[in-house]
Amino acid sequence: EDQVTQSPEALRLQEGESSSLNCSYTVSGLRGLFWYRQDPGKGPEFLFTLYSAGEEKEKERLKATLTKKESFLHITAPKPEDSATYLCAVSRNNFNKFYFGSGTKLNVKP
Amino acid sequence: DVKVTQSSRYLVKRTGEKVFLECVQDMDHENMFWYRQDPGLGLRLIYFSYDVKMKEKGDIPEGYSVSREKKERFSLILESASTNQTSMYLCASSAPGQVGDTQYFGPGTRLTVL
Repeated sequence: EDQVTQSPEALRLQEGESSSLNCSYTVSGLRGLFWYRQDPGKGPEFLFTLYSAGEEKEKERLKATLTKKESFLHITAPKPEDSATYLCAVSRNNFNKFYFGSGTKLNVKP
Repeated sequence: DVKVTQSSRYLVKRTGEKVFLECVQDMDHENMFWYRQDPGLGLRLIYFSYDVKMKEKGDIPEGYSVSREKKERFSLILESASTNQTSMYLCASSAPGQVGDTQYFGPGTRLTVL
């Protein structure tokens, strides 16, 4: 069964304390893995798409990596404005549907 | 930039009312999606459309219908609203084959059914 699992469910960091969020997946024929940021009461905001194992993408303090079974979202020296829920999703080849994880709620304290 | 807009940010309706939620995208995307998002349940797909007048059921279509008469517009209809349809509704669009079918989301509509 296709599945996406994110961990931890919640993460509290001090400002400047780097960490990683995990997204593990079981899906046949991975087409893409997607990271989104969602602020309370708003729609998810697209961050990254990763296509193949070994691929990495960066944006400001965020870096996403992909292996054959999981993806990590590394946050370097986070700031309070990085506080949000981070969602992971995967898509399969020849199939429009996304499979979403339940998200990691990140709280960065000043 | 991709722009997906939804007709209302907040909506309050009464049980039994017919409710229309509208979504418009300006990037000429073929695919459009409706999700609902509830605490502890994550995002769940209600319906999606891959072309004008085409639609497919998602994971939780019961109690909902959709309409896509124009490429840029996708409407979600609650024929007779019930309290268990109180939720955050999110619309998304994507272009097949572009950027791995990345879906771009609208701001969401927070619907409360009393």
